[in-house]
Amino acid sequence: DIQMTQSPSSLSASVGDRVTITCRASQNIGNYLNWYQQKPGKAPKLLVYAASILHSGVPSRFSAGGSGTDFTLTISSLQPEDFATYFCQQSYGARTFGQGTKVEIK
Amino acid sequence: EVQLVETGGGLIQPGGSLRLSCAASGFAVRSNYMTWVRQAPGRGLECVSVLYSGGGSYYADSVKGRFTISRDNSQNTVFLQMNSLRADDTAVYYCARESSLFRGDAFDLWGQGTTVTVSS
Repeated sequence: DIQMTQSPSSLSASVGDRVTITCRASQNIGNYLNWYQQKPGKAPKLLVYAASILHSGVPSRFSAGGSGTDFTLTISSLQPEDFATYFCQQSYGARTFGQGTKVEIK
Repeated sequence: EVQLVETGGGLIQPGGSLRLSCAASGFAVRSNYMTWVRQAPGRGLECVSVLYSGGGSYYADSVKGRFTISRDNSQNTVFLQMNSLRADDTAVYYCARESSLFRGDAFDLWGQGTTVTVSS
């Protein structure tokens, strides 16, 4: 299976900060990379698919990029509702997720 | 409204069985890839089983031979039969639809989850 590794595992940030999360695949997955946001007690929500395309309704402060093995998710100006856990997921082979990055309030 | 609703979770003893249901509305499960994703307490997400629109299926090694995925098109429902349950099967189980979006496949619709606890 393709292993997905996110960094950092957690981070503390303030409202208005710029935040970047990294996801690395154990092999080349092209652009077959998605990002999800999960809040406590809730199901994940799709944010980004195909590495850089924002899903319908996702605010433009979110952006994402990368290809091959290295990918990033950036929040340009962190808002209170963005404090959550973010997961990357590859759709190149049998679906696997990163371990998650928890974004906490500083 | 397009949605997924899971039911069937609960407390079960090791070695026991449970059947989870995922009722879909607003779209046809037979036309989509439907996946069961689980999340153990404080842990990440694991795809345990997929039912493809053509009828084929996939199982993670951790559940192969113990879990069976199926669907009832008349009820528009996907099932996960879980046998020989172990403590490490304890998790929230989500049903998710995988859609072919422009240039990529992704889980664009999730249910609210149902909790399975395996304990004596």
